[in-house]
Amino acid sequence: SQTIHQWPATLVQPVGSPLSLECTVEGTSNPNLYWYRQAAGRGLQLLFYSVGIGQISSEVPQNLSASRPQDRQFILSSKKLLLSDSGFYLCAWSVHGLYERGYTFGSGTRLTVV
Amino acid sequence: QKEVEQDPGPLSVPEGAIVSLNCTYSNSAFQYFMWYRQYSRKGPELLMYTYSSGNKEDGRFTAQVDKSSKYISLFIRDSQPSDSATYLCAMSHPETGGTSYGKLTFGQGTILTVHP
Repeated sequence: SQTIHQWPATLVQPVGSPLSLECTVEGTSNPNLYWYRQAAGRGLQLLFYSVGIGQISSEVPQNLSASRPQDRQFILSSKKLLLSDSGFYLCAWSVHGLYERGYTFGSGTRLTVV
Repeated sequence: QKEVEQDPGPLSVPEGAIVSLNCTYSNSAFQYFMWYRQYSRKGPELLMYTYSSGNKEDGRFTAQVDKSSKYISLFIRDSQPSDSATYLCAMSHPETGGTSYGKLTFGQGTILTVHP
């Protein structure tokens, strides 16, 4: 069966520090991968998606970047965090080309920038 | 106008009540419809998905889609305190801009509390 791992669960970082959040998927190959941010208002904002190794698309301009160094690994990064980067970050995956089943989400990382 | 509108609630009901959660959408290209449940401080989990008009049942949950009215609903029968969570509707269409990544568009989520 497929599983998605996301870590760390919580993170408190000072303004201006770097960030690296990692997400890995097991039990499948060539998944579509996604990074979302969920603010206090509960809405999910798509940050990045990837349909293959090294293929990253950004949905919104921001202080963050993403990379996919391996087929089942997706990394969210920042060189210098801002207060506005605080939020709940979610990684998700879906079967490439299978749209009706939606996504499977990880357990999330709660980031607080202080 | 947002592509997907969902009443944020909050919604508070007594145990055993029937709960109705709703979303409307404006993009007639949406073909696939899902409901996610999200417990506090957890990632959303897929509850139900459907891609046809009509009803789909799974235990105490029924998903209803009316494509002509661009309206979807999730009904929860015999609601339990364990159903207390945020419920998000989501939908997608087969392809977006040729990337075929099946982008999901989410509603804002409805906070549901079922009290004993």
